[in-house]
Amino acid sequence: DVKVTQSSRYLVKRTGEKVFLECVQDMDHENMFWYRQDPGLGLRLIYFSYDVKMKEKGDIPEGYSVSREKKERFSLILESASTNQTSMYLCASSAPRGLDTEAFFGQGTRLTVV
Amino acid sequence: KQEVTQIPAALSVPEGENLVLNCSFTDSAIYNLQWFRQDPGKGLTSLLLIQSSQREQTSGRLNASLDKSSGRSTLYIAASQPGDSATYLCAVDQGGSEKLVFGKGTKLTVNP
Repeated sequence: DVKVTQSSRYLVKRTGEKVFLECVQDMDHENMFWYRQDPGLGLRLIYFSYDVKMKEKGDIPEGYSVSREKKERFSLILESASTNQTSMYLCASSAPRGLDTEAFFGQGTRLTVV
Repeated sequence: KQEVTQIPAALSVPEGENLVLNCSFTDSAIYNLQWFRQDPGKGLTSLLLIQSSQREQTSGRLNASLDKSSGRSTLYIAASQPGDSATYLCAVDQGGSEKLVFGKGTKLTVNP
């Protein structure tokens, strides 16, 4: 079974802190994604990576950055956390087109910025 | 820009009923469509993936259909059970990118 693991289920951070959210997948997938999910707004894509050291901005990249130094790990960085970044963060991975492109998600990280 | 709509936003049914969840999308140039289930406070669990060349996929009591030309997909759940209570989301992988665009989901409650 594909497994996507996020490092924390719940996090509480202070305004202005630098926050790292980690995601690891064990299926050798090229594609990895970070979404945030908010009531009424649904899932919105923050960043996408299609290979090691490659990244692409999603719909709402402002205030975030990402790092992909190894194929299995994709990190989301909040450079200076703000209260409007309180949200559920979801990581996903998938194989590239031409293969089985089913996307698999982690269990989510509920981040609260106070 | 691709938009995905799910109607209804919420649905409550008695146990044992067969039901249909709807998903529509504005741009028919999709690569595939995927249905997910999400339990409260949890991540998404993949249910079914339909490639653009396919018309339907089945898994147990679930059947998903795809009509790309009309921009619609349905998820049919047979003989619903209280354990099916969750939010169901559909997402399309649109042509030209490998990113998923999500609907806002249908919250299903199956009453015993």
